[in-house]
Amino acid sequence: NAGVTQTPKFRVLKTGQSMTLLCAQDMNHEYMYWYRQDPGMGLRLIHYSVGEGTTAKGEVPDGYNVSRLKKQNFLLGLESAAPSQTSVYFCASSRRQGYTEAFFGQGTRLTVV
Amino acid sequence: GENVEQHPSTLSVQEGDSAVIKCTYSDSASNYFPWYKQELGKRPQLIIDIRSNVGEKKDQRIAVTLNKTAKHFSLHITETQPEDSAVYFCAAHMMYSGGGADGLTFGKGTHLIIQP
Repeated sequence: NAGVTQTPKFRVLKTGQSMTLLCAQDMNHEYMYWYRQDPGMGLRLIHYSVGEGTTAKGEVPDGYNVSRLKKQNFLLGLESAAPSQTSVYFCASSRRQGYTEAFFGQGTRLTVV
Repeated sequence: GENVEQHPSTLSVQEGDSAVIKCTYSDSASNYFPWYKQELGKRPQLIIDIRSNVGEKKDQRIAVTLNKTAKHFSLHITETQPEDSAVYFCAAHMMYSGGGADGLTFGKGTHLIIQP
């Protein structure tokens, strides 16, 4: 009964380092999303995917890349981390049509120093 | 682009009083409006949702109203309790600009504080 699982939960990076955040869902959902949450800014969509092998840009895609090689996994990559990418990152998934509940992972707190 | 406006950003009420949070949306084609609650350090979780074919939905102390003509919807919490303290997000289902796909667009959130 895992739902949506994100790894890692916490990470500290130095400016210029790279990392990958992993999101895994076991609900057979078609849609997956990556959001960042900053104080006073709400949840802003970074990238999303409407199915295996597809990805698209959201509201704030710059500095991030994503991949969806398997239906259950959605990876978010930072190639060269910047302090402006310090944030809490949430992955979410939903059923195909998008008219249904989005289930969130527990979040990843990333600090770039 | 399409967006969702949420007000107020912070709301403080006395325990036992009612709280109302309002949202407006821009896409008249939107037809699904969920509300999420996020406790400190936790993930957002759905508390109630409404679809465009109804004007009001209630679940115990929580209710949501929708006015499609005016493009706004509201969350109502009655008899507030300390455990209602959290950040609440509204969302609207709409097409993502340029992507050819649809999904949820979120408001910026309301920090609800229940004063004892």
